[in-house]
Amino acid sequence: SQQGEEDPQALSIQEGENATMNCSYKTSINNLQWYRQNSGRGLVHLILIRSNEREKHSGRLRVTLDTSKKSSSLLITASRAADTASYFCAPGGQGGKLIFGQGTELSVKP
Amino acid sequence: AAGVIQSPRHLIKEKRETATLKCYPIPRHDTVYWYQQGPGQDPQFLISFYEKMQSDKGSIPDRFSAQQFSDYHSELNMSSLELGDSALYFCASSWGREALSGELFFGEGSRLTVL
Repeated sequence: SQQGEEDPQALSIQEGENATMNCSYKTSINNLQWYRQNSGRGLVHLILIRSNEREKHSGRLRVTLDTSKKSSSLLITASRAADTASYFCAPGGQGGKLIFGQGTELSVKP
Repeated sequence: AAGVIQSPRHLIKEKRETATLKCYPIPRHDTVYWYQQGPGQDPQFLISFYEKMQSDKGSIPDRFSAQQFSDYHSELNMSSLELGDSALYFCASSWGREALSGELFFGEGSRLTVL
């Protein structure tokens, strides 16, 4: 497994705005997952996109994957204060363990 | 739905003491992962078990050991504790087959403070 690199490291927006965070990785993957972590809490799985998929939606979340550029993006639409959290991407390859980067710290102001 | 259970949720120890953390995976999950997250740090993979055998090893100190029992729960044993061991320790579980390409289910973590 490899580590994804999230960008930006921190993002501050107003409630109702969209939030976009990006993830880059180095080698080929089977899938890529996004997780959310509220401060001091466990990580929560948000969405998994497989290497043969280009886009996936789940509620207000939209994830894209560009395997040619080895990058993914997570879009949260109409953000809410409750979306304030750290967001991690985790490229998945052979084996079950996931390696997490430093994440994107999202702050949504009411 | 049942989630991953970790105990204790909070633990305070002195330097050089020993601590044991427990993890109870989601029923029917046979794979357990341990992560350590220091203050302001990203979660670091420590070790994992599949069907009671160690399946992968990360940056786990030699002072730490872990095992998975016949009922699939796992314990992380930490000896000669150091101040730098203060962290949130997460356990995650998955079903073996899905572990190759599936999601991990995390517990709420055990917060260890070493004084």
